[in-house]
Amino acid sequence: AQSVAQPEDQVNVAEGNPLTVKCTYSVSGNPYLFWYVQYPNRGLQFLLKYITGDNLVKGSYGFEAEFNKSQTSFHLKKPSALVSDSALYFCAVRDMNNAGNMLTFGGGTRLMVKP
Amino acid sequence: EPEVTQTPSHQVTQMGQEVILRCVPISNHLYFYWYRQILGQKVEFLVSFYNNEISEKSEIFDDQFSVERPDGSNFTLKIRSTKLEDSAMYFCASSKEGVRLETQYFGPGTRLLVL
Repeated sequence: AQSVAQPEDQVNVAEGNPLTVKCTYSVSGNPYLFWYVQYPNRGLQFLLKYITGDNLVKGSYGFEAEFNKSQTSFHLKKPSALVSDSALYFCAVRDMNNAGNMLTFGGGTRLMVKP
Repeated sequence: EPEVTQTPSHQVTQMGQEVILRCVPISNHLYFYWYRQILGQKVEFLVSFYNNEISEKSEIFDDQFSVERPDGSNFTLKIRSTKLEDSAMYFCASSKEGVRLETQYFGPGTRLLVL
């Protein structure tokens, strides 16, 4: 079985400060990991993914994520937060050993960036 | 940039009624998915569809649910006899291929309210 945990319901950060949104995962094989963002009244927008290779993955809007196999984590980061980054962020995993393509999502973390 | 579109954006129905949720996947994509998000809960996988048949489904996707690709562009989710607990946001997604490297791109969702 595959699962994802996002331990923080909400993260507050001041504009211009670095941000981190945490994600840990559990899979039986190797993971494919994804971050999606959801703005109000919008669908899930793809930000970035880790498949293999470099542990630091760069994505849209200046976001990056670091894959850490020993800690089974895939935390989302940005060096300097913008007010417009305020949204709901979802981490998702797919187990490489599973034949199917279903994504398993975490519960989401609301990011609030204050001016 | 091509996007997944969904109609309607909101639907209100009476318990026991049939509803059809519609999606237009990205045009060169071959795999299609439905997910749902009950208010305050995680995004959950329902079903994946390829080559005119279901390739994977979750426990949620029981006999009350069906999917269809009635023509070359639409992908539909039918709920035969809605229940109160079917109230949720339903997301359609598509990917170019079903191999695990491919990103799933999501539509804006249909909010279904069953009264």
